[in-house]
Amino acid sequence: ETGVTQTPRHLVMGMTNKKSLKCEQHLGHNAMYWYKQSAKKPLELMFVYSLEERVENNSVPSRFSPECPNSSHLFLHLHTLQPEDSALYLCASSPVRGRNEQFFGPGTRLTVL
Amino acid sequence: GENVEQHPSTLSVQEGDSAVIKCTYSDSASNYFPWYKQELGKRPQLIIDIRSNVGEKKDQRIAVTLNKTAKHFSLHITETQPEDSAVYFCAAPVRDSSYKLIFGSGTRLLVRP
Repeated sequence: ETGVTQTPRHLVMGMTNKKSLKCEQHLGHNAMYWYKQSAKKPLELMFVYSLEERVENNSVPSRFSPECPNSSHLFLHLHTLQPEDSALYLCASSPVRGRNEQFFGPGTRLTVL
Repeated sequence: GENVEQHPSTLSVQEGDSAVIKCTYSDSASNYFPWYKQELGKRPQLIIDIRSNVGEKKDQRIAVTLNKTAKHFSLHITETQPEDSAVYFCAAPVRDSSYKLIFGSGTRLLVRP
């Protein structure tokens, strides 16, 4: 499946590193999302962009910084993360109008040492 | 705020038996209820959804029922097979949003051969 892609698929980083996660969608959608999935909170919405404008930031720590340069690309910039940030980070996209179905990417498995 | 509660958190059934997962929602204006399946190591994928103008929808061995009065909806899987083993998430729209979803906490279904 190539509708929503994410890179890298796996990432190991130290607490002082800076890294970025990338998401790309080829479905013509204009809403994109970042979710955090961990054992404690299975699907936790972090950020929502609609028509390239951030419309939601669910009290996410500032060490996570999203960027949406256009409707097809979404980034999550990471810096000075904590071990508890280790999780699967899922990107999703959907139309803004009509059917609400969200299409997920394969996720980035992040481990913070 | 909106809330979606999902039960049970884990479910183990014998192959061939039926499985039922239930979700309750808080916003009486919600009108779209999807179910996602996430196999181990894979992305969540939509398997069935229902809109509030119908009470039941079927797709082969999978069905979803909706009780708007009680504000709950359920996923029914009949003649379960080992490949049905996965985590299932229900979801409902966020109030005043045409595209954002709030997810339940997930049900881990195990189908024993």
